[in-house]
Amino acid sequence: KAGVTQTPRYLIKTRGQQVTLSCSPISGHRSVSWYQQTPGQGLQFLFEYFSETQRNKGNFPGRFSGRQFSNSRSEMNVSTLELGDSALYLCASSLETGAGAKNIQYFGAGTRLSVL
Amino acid sequence: QQQVKQSPQSLIVQKGGISIINCAYENTAFDYFPWYQQFPGKGPALLIAIRPDVSEKKEGRFTISFNKSAKQFSLHIMDSQPGDSATYFCAASRDSNSGYALNFGKGTSLLVTP
Repeated sequence: KAGVTQTPRYLIKTRGQQVTLSCSPISGHRSVSWYQQTPGQGLQFLFEYFSETQRNKGNFPGRFSGRQFSNSRSEMNVSTLELGDSALYLCASSLETGAGAKNIQYFGAGTRLSVL
Repeated sequence: QQQVKQSPQSLIVQKGGISIINCAYENTAFDYFPWYQQFPGKGPALLIAIRPDVSEKKEGRFTISFNKSAKQFSLHIMDSQPGDSATYFCAASRDSNSGYALNFGKGTSLLVTP
């Protein structure tokens, strides 16, 4: 079974630009979460999508947004990029079979975004 | 505000030794505590996880010890091997209708020397 696939693996952008990152979850997984990883702040939760609806959101500015499609694939967008947005952006998917289900999140390899 | 605090930041252990990483949390609503292992250039991979109804869980050389009253949990790696050299993250979350966001510790960089 293929794992979580994130594209592209690397991106270089300049300040003020916008960027879109893509995530394909493991087949059959319905929940997709996004995390930002930086050396200073570690892994921080951005948002989570389930059945095309944003279910939870972390403490990030509105420049960070996302969406989920009917096939569970997800995209996240960052507008008006700032230098501090340079990070590894990780996507994770989980099966989620119902209330009390194990929250086993499987991560992709991430997209490394560099903002110049 | 860091909801999960992890220590030490880095750890050097000799081959065959025991690696111990500790985490503490504040939110008593957390009910799922996974440990993730991350190698350079890779995403985190689930290593082992525990729920608060048990005090210990062992899988191979990896053991989680959980102390609910102290709000602390730890990862023990027995017979540490050079291949275990990686960054380890503890995390905590709670089952909720609003999702399962993982709150991560800041990570421990483990180096196992030959």
